[in-house]
This record gives sequence, C-alpha cells and structure tokens, in this order.
Amino acid sequence: AIRMTQSPSSFSASTGDRVTITCRASQDISSYLAWYQQKPGKAPRLLIYTASTLQSGVPPRFSGSGSGTAFTLTITSLQSEDFATYYCLHYYSHPWTFGQGTKVEIK
Amino acid sequence: QVQMVESGGGVVQPGRSLRLSCVASGFTFSSYAIHWVRQAPGKGLEWVAVMSYDGTNKYYAEVLQGRITISRDNSKNTLFLQMNSLREEDTAIYYCARGGATTLLSAFDIWGQGTMVTVSS
Repeated sequence: AIRMTQSPSSFSASTGDRVTITCRASQDISSYLAWYQQKPGKAPRLLIYTASTLQSGVPPRFSGSGSGTAFTLTITSLQSEDFATYYCLHYYSHPWTFGQGTKVEIK
Repeated sequence: QVQMVESGGGVVQPGRSLRLSCVASGFTFSSYAIHWVRQAPGKGLEWVAVMSYDGTNKYYAEVLQGRITISRDNSKNTLFLQMNSLREEDTAIYYCARGGATTLLSAFDIWGQGTMVTVSS
C-alpha cells in the first residue's frame, strides 16, 4: 500500500500568515492527490483535487502543487476560519490512503 | 441539494454485527462510485471500502477484509456497509463519500455527516 506522510503534524500560526503543509507519497502517484479540511465535529471538506485544482467554492487563498511523490498545500493569509486539521489523500490505486493529518492551531 | 445521509450506527457488543446505510440525493447516484471512510475518536481518516457505480467492482481495506461487505441499491439511492464480528477498535464515525463518475480514480467530493459506531461490552 502507498503510504502518505504529512509534515508537520501540527503547528501554530497567526491570522495573516502564509502556511505550507507537505505530503509525501511512498511511490509515484502522478497527480492523484487531494487535500481536505476538517473542523471538529464536522465531515471533511474537499479543497484541492488532482494536486492543484481548486474545488468549486473554495477561497483562492488555498492552493496546491506537486506531482509524483511530493505535494504541498499552501494557504496565503491565514483566516480565522482556516484553523482546522488538513489531510491529504491519494487516489492513485487501491487502497486509497490518507496522510495522518496536520493540525493548524492559533498562535 | 446534493447530500448524503448515513444511518445505522449505535452501541454494539464485541462480536456482533451492524449494517450501515447511506442515502444520497440531489445527484444521479447510479453514476458514482461511493466510499466508506472511518475516523476513530481523536484519530485521523481511514479509508474502509468502495463500490463502483454499477456494483461490479468493490475493494476493502485489508484490516477489515473478511468482516465487512459493501453493497448498493441504485433503485433506492442507497449504499450499505455490513459489518460483522465487530471489535472495540472498529469504534469510529463512519462516513460515506462520493467518488468519481464511472471511475474509481477520483477524489471524494461530497461527504455525509457520519454515523457513530461504538463497540463496547
């Protein structure tokens, strides 16, 4: 199975900061990579798919990049509603696997 | 609107069975693969199973293989997850999520609110 490793596991940031979360795949997954945001008590929300395509309705301060084995999610100018946990997901092949999550907390 | 609603969760003793349901609305259910994803309390997301739009292909997480069965009734816009021989480590919120139209290689774009399964004696 393909392993997805996110870094960091958590960090603190301030409103207005630019933040970057990294996801690495244990083998080449082309661009079959999605990013999700999850807030406490809520279902995950799709932000990015095919590594860099913004899902409809997601603010443009979110962006994704990468291909192959290395991917990043960037949030420019962090807003209060962005404090949440973020997950990457590969859908290159069975079994689908998520990263372990990155929790973004308020500094 | 487009939505998916899970049901069937609850408290069950170890070794017992449970069947979860996921009812979809607002889109052509029979055109989409649907996944189950679970999340143990305080933990991350774990993919569980998927069934293709027409039911011909199904895949399971290795850790659950042999204890779960995914099925669907396209006439009722409903996906099911039969869970047998439940263990305490199966305690989690179970989400259904929409996959791709006629393909399994797609992100999950629509999620239900989840149904909680608690396995405890």
